Amino acid sequence: DAMVIQNPRYQVTQFGKPVTLSCSQTLNHNVMYWYQQKSSQAPKLLFHYYDKDFNNEADTPDNFQSRRPNTSFCFLDIRSPGLGDAAMYLCATSNRDFYTDTQYFGPGTRLTVL
Amino acid sequence: GQQLNQSPQSMFIQEGEDVSMNCTSSSIFNTWLWYKQDPGEGPVLLIALYKAGELTSNGRLTAQFGITRKDSFLNISASIPSDVGIYFCAGKKNYGQNFVFGPGTRLSVLP
Repeated sequence: DAMVIQNPRYQVTQFGKPVTLSCSQTLNHNVMYWYQQKSSQAPKLLFHYYDKDFNNEADTPDNFQSRRPNTSFCFLDIRSPGLGDAAMYLCATSNRDFYTDTQYFGPGTRLTVL
Repeated sequence: GQQLNQSPQSMFIQEGEDVSMNCTSSSIFNTWLWYKQDPGEGPVLLIALYKAGELTSNGRLTAQFGITRKDSFLNISASIPSDVGIYFCAGKKNYGQNFVFGPGTRLSVLP
């Protein structure tokens, strides 16, 4: 089945130690998103790639970076994780060029910062 | 800031009862999505709506795109314990824009 895959599902890192979360998709969608979600709140958009174009949300801290080396993969880099960065990180994809644009989420990566 | 409101914020129902929840905005949207999220998992798409007045079903779930284009509704019939979770609506105003999310409705089903 076509899907959005996130690895790892659980990630533990130390305060200040860089960490990378990965996302891959088999949907061939042109947009990939990274969201942060805390405590059952609504997902908060960090940034997204429309093809190779990177679009950062205005309130996303510089500590968060992203890379999209090809259509299928996208990475979230947290350069110096703080305790406040502990959260669920969700990757999503959509095909924005279609009138019937629909967004699909991966299962998420739960990040713990010690 | 958040542009969608969801009501109710939480609800407790008895197994077998029907459930209604809604999502509202002060702006017009051209796409509405409904998701269910279980603890520790990503949101799962339930229903997508693309036209004002559209009524779409997925098993026991039915969702409608409000005729004013400022709201959407989700109904669950004959609730079962596995319906427990948080239901998020998401909307998009225009082609090429990002989706915005409501704060969610937390559903609890009592046996």
